[in-house]
Amino acid sequence: KNEVEQSPQNLTAQEGEFITINCSYSVGISALHWLQQHPGGGIVSLFMLSSGKKKHGRLIATINIQEKHSSLHITASHPRDSAVYICAVVGPDSNYQLIWGAGTKLIIKP
Amino acid sequence: DAGVTQSPTHLIKTRGQQVTLRCSPKSGHDTVSWYQQALGQGPQFIFQYYEEEERQRGNFPDRFSGHQFPNYSSELNVNALLLGDSALYLCASSLPSRSGGYTFGSGTRLTVV
Repeated sequence: KNEVEQSPQNLTAQEGEFITINCSYSVGISALHWLQQHPGGGIVSLFMLSSGKKKHGRLIATINIQEKHSSLHITASHPRDSAVYICAVVGPDSNYQLIWGAGTKLIIKP
Repeated sequence: DAGVTQSPTHLIKTRGQQVTLRCSPKSGHDTVSWYQQALGQGPQFIFQYYEEEERQRGNFPDRFSGHQFPNYSSELNVNALLLGDSALYLCASSLPSRSGGYTFGSGTRLTVV
């Protein structure tokens, strides 16, 4: 079993829809990252969370430390949001290395 | 405040050659990690440098080596290139407190022909 599990693996939605991507982890962490990668591109860090909730524009990330679960939400989705979204955790159980989820490929259709 | 800078952005090399990739960390960061991302795959950890020493290493052969300079910038060297080394090489820098705050570069796309 992977230490970081993301769901869904693939997601296709219509422009304007509310998007939720989930991440569950089984190790102790000091932080959780939500990352975005466009095809052929580098990785952009969207959020780093250690507790609670963060919002940036149309993106919202939440984390529940007790349940070892995080969600990334996109409101009013747009085709430019199409990308792979990756959850990665870091913490003492991983000797402070990033442990990566497999990613969620999101396609937003106009 | 510049983030992580990687150079070059693209590179084409021939099998058997050697390559050096460079990374300048975000200001204030002292730790640099390198990742290899093959097409369609997730990033694989190569190694991490801290205080000019390799602190951790992933499952990569000795052909992959690195260096960190006193200004915290880092190089990744790959010798005897193989076709399978073709990938996006990502550099990430992190905070001194090791609190998990990673900043990523845009990567170097290496193609081995």
